[in-house]
Amino acid sequence: DGGITQSPKYLFRKEGQNVTLSCEQNLNHDAMYWYRQDPGQGLRLIYYSQIVNDFQKGDIAEGYSVSREKKESFPLTVTSAQKNPTAFYLCASSTRQGSSYGYTFGSGTRLTVV
Amino acid sequence: GENVEQHPSTLSVQEGDSAVIKCTYSDSASNYFPWYKQELGKRPQLIIDIRSNVGEKKDQRIAVTLNKTAKHFSLHITETQPEDSAVYFCAASANTGNQFYFGTGTSLTVIP
Repeated sequence: DGGITQSPKYLFRKEGQNVTLSCEQNLNHDAMYWYRQDPGQGLRLIYYSQIVNDFQKGDIAEGYSVSREKKESFPLTVTSAQKNPTAFYLCASSTRQGSSYGYTFGSGTRLTVV
Repeated sequence: GENVEQHPSTLSVQEGDSAVIKCTYSDSASNYFPWYKQELGKRPQLIIDIRSNVGEKKDQRIAVTLNKTAKHFSLHITETQPEDSAVYFCAASANTGNQFYFGTGTSLTVIP
């Protein structure tokens, strides 16, 4: 629902393992974003992409990687270099022409290190 | 870059009372200010927004005010109801890049 789908809803990662979080949108939005949400810290930007085949680091990009091969898809890989990956991850998208319409958020993925 | 501060971090009100959440921002280029409501375990939802050419906007029980000179904006909820209980986030954005900078959130509890 909502035009932007994140999967899985829950994900468990073992120490030293890479995991990939999926984000797909059918809103024809140019821009896509990944945020990390921790209790009491609000939303922190990991990576964002304004156009296919281009992406930029956000405030906390270390230990994460992304790709944007298709307009509809913006997967996030949490690598073993991310030492504290347990968090709630939110994907969002927006139109590129100005900031007139706000973000549409996905329903999130809760990642837990086991 | 932009820095958005939000207060208070928690807020409890009696049902029927008003709630006010305040945010400040640092970048004078910011010109779009949305507010999001996030219920427990769910995605943030846009509830109201305001642009820099407007001082106030109202939608039923929700209103937002903006003071560009002082670089602060506020969310006002009147006649609060238990279903208003959630975490509220403010954000600021300039046209360039569409990147939003979020406040740290306010957990609102409406006591029946």
